[in-house]
Amino acid sequence: DTAVSQTPKYLVTQMGNDKSIKCEQNLGHDTMYWYKQDSKKFLKIMFSYNNKELIINETVPNRFSPKSPDKAHLNLHINSLELGDSAVYFCASSQVRDQPQHFGDGTRLSIL
Amino acid sequence: DQQVKQNSPSLSVQEGRISILNCDYTNSMFDYFLWYKKYPAEGPTFLISISSIKDKNEDGRFTVFLNKSAKHLSLHIVPSQPGDSAVYFCAAGGGSQGNLIFGKGTKLSVKP
Repeated sequence: DTAVSQTPKYLVTQMGNDKSIKCEQNLGHDTMYWYKQDSKKFLKIMFSYNNKELIINETVPNRFSPKSPDKAHLNLHINSLELGDSAVYFCASSQVRDQPQHFGDGTRLSIL
Repeated sequence: DQQVKQNSPSLSVQEGRISILNCDYTNSMFDYFLWYKKYPAEGPTFLISISSIKDKNEDGRFTVFLNKSAKHLSLHIVPSQPGDSAVYFCAAGGGSQGNLIFGKGTKLSVKP
């Protein structure tokens, strides 16, 4: 029973394409997150979202947009992919902010 | 500007001995600190946390110490086991952040 699952695990695509990464959590948590782990291994928050509020890290380009069809899902859409978008993207969830977050296994995005 | 710093990228310890992983932070508004463990190709897994009102929290072989005046926390693993070999991330939350800020990680290798 995977608590936080994200698909696909690997994504290889061309520059300029639009792609989505899906995330689902079965923990009943109210808050979900997207993180980016870049080549320097820093885990940086991109978005946090609950059913009331979306908080966007101001450094995230507007080509990135989270979409939440319901409380258990937070998908990440990326438009016009660029080389610098290559990274591992992690989805996470928690009951409330600042509580232990549960992470998915990551999606490794490679831009050719 | 790194608000959470893990200055040792790697640490090697003999099985059975103590592993001490260190973390420094700069933002005095942080009031909640966590350690995560990460294996390759998996997401970070929550290990242990501590609130700023405490200076120590223990869970089995894992103990986290917090020194607020020095803005320093450490994770002690005793005794260390080969299965503890992983990357350990320190994270902090609270104040105006609303999200967790992660350090860069320390790769722990426990040798049999």
